[in-house]
Formats: sequence, structure tokens, C-alpha cells
Amino acid sequence: DIHMTQSPSFVSASVGDGVTISCRASQGVSTWLAWYQQKPGKAPTLLISAASRLERGVPRRFSGSGSGTDFTLTIASLQPEDSATYFCQQANNFPYTFGQGTKVEIK
Amino acid sequence: EVQLVQSGAEVRKPGESLKISCEGSGYSFSTYWIGWVRQMPGKGLEWMGLIYPADSDIRYSPSFRGQVTISDDKSINTAYLQWSSLKASDTAIYYCVRPSGVNSAVDVWGQGTTVIVSS
Repeated sequence: DIHMTQSPSFVSASVGDGVTISCRASQGVSTWLAWYQQKPGKAPTLLISAASRLERGVPRRFSGSGSGTDFTLTIASLQPEDSATYFCQQANNFPYTFGQGTKVEIK
Repeated sequence: EVQLVQSGAEVRKPGESLKISCEGSGYSFSTYWIGWVRQMPGKGLEWMGLIYPADSDIRYSPSFRGQVTISDDKSINTAYLQWSSLKASDTAIYYCVRPSGVNSAVDVWGQGTTVIVSS
């Protein structure tokens, strides 16, 4: 299995701050990398696919970058509704493994 | 509207069997893979397996092979996840999911089915 490692596991930031979450794959996954947001008690929702493609309806303050083994999710200006846990997931090789998650808290 | 609607929460005793379901609507059910993802309490997401309803091709994550059975009935646009003998460690939320294509992200998630296994 490809192992996905996210960092940090937890981040606390103020409204308006920029937040960056990293995701590293144990082997190259090209750009078959997605980012999801999960709020408590809800199913995850897709934010970004193919490493950098913003899904319809997702605010432009979210962006993704990277290829191969190193990827980044950036929230340009944190908003209260961005409080959630974020997961990366590779779709290059089955099983399509997830990172362990990064919890974003608003100060 | 494309959606996956899962069966309701279940409470079972260890050793019991269980089958949960996921009905797809708003799209051509047979031509998209359906997957199952586990989320144990307070934990992350684990991919369990995939099924392609058009030909019932099934892929299991090594961690779940032999532990669960994935199946479908494309005549009623429904996928299933079943256990023959539940353990307390099967307590989790189970999501059915639809990747948008091969090697693709999951663009549709079911609402989740909570399974509690307790004596």
C-alpha cells in the first residue's frame, strides 16, 4: 500500500490567516491526489481533485499543488466555516489510501 | 441529483452477521465504481474495497480481504457490504462512495451507516 503522511496533524489559526497542509506519499502518485474536508458528524466532501483542480462550488481561497510524492493544500484566508478535518487521498494505486487527517481549528 | 443513500444504523452483537446497503440514483449506476470506506470512532478514513456493477469486478484492500464481502444488485442500483461474524472492532461509520472515474477522486459520498457491535 502507498502510505500517505499529512502534516501537521493539528493547526490552530485566526480568521484571515493563511494555512498550509502538507501530504507526502511513500511513492509517486503522479497527480492522482485529492483533498477532502470533513466536518463533525458529516461525510467528507471533495475539495480538490487531480492535485490542483478545484471542485465546483468550492471557494477560491482553497488551492492545491504538487505532483509525485509531495502535495500541499492551502487555505488563503481562513474563514470560520473552514473549521474541519482535512484528508488527502491518493488514487494512483488501489487501495486508494488516505492521509491521517489534519484538524484545523479557528482561534 | 446524483446521490448515494445508505441503509440505517445497526446495532449487533459480536458473532452476528450483517449486510448494509447503498442505493445509487441520478446516474448510470452500472458504469461507475462504488467503494466502501471505514471510519472508526475518532479516526481517519480507510478504503475497504471497490466494485464495478457492470461486471461485478471486485477489488479488496488487503487489510479487509476475507473480513467483509462486497456485492451488488445492479437491477436495483444497490451495492452491499456484509459481515458473516462481526467483532467489536467493526464498530465504525461505513461510507459508500463513488469515484468519478478510474484513478479518480470520490465526488459522491453516501451519508454513512453507523454500525455498533457490542455485547
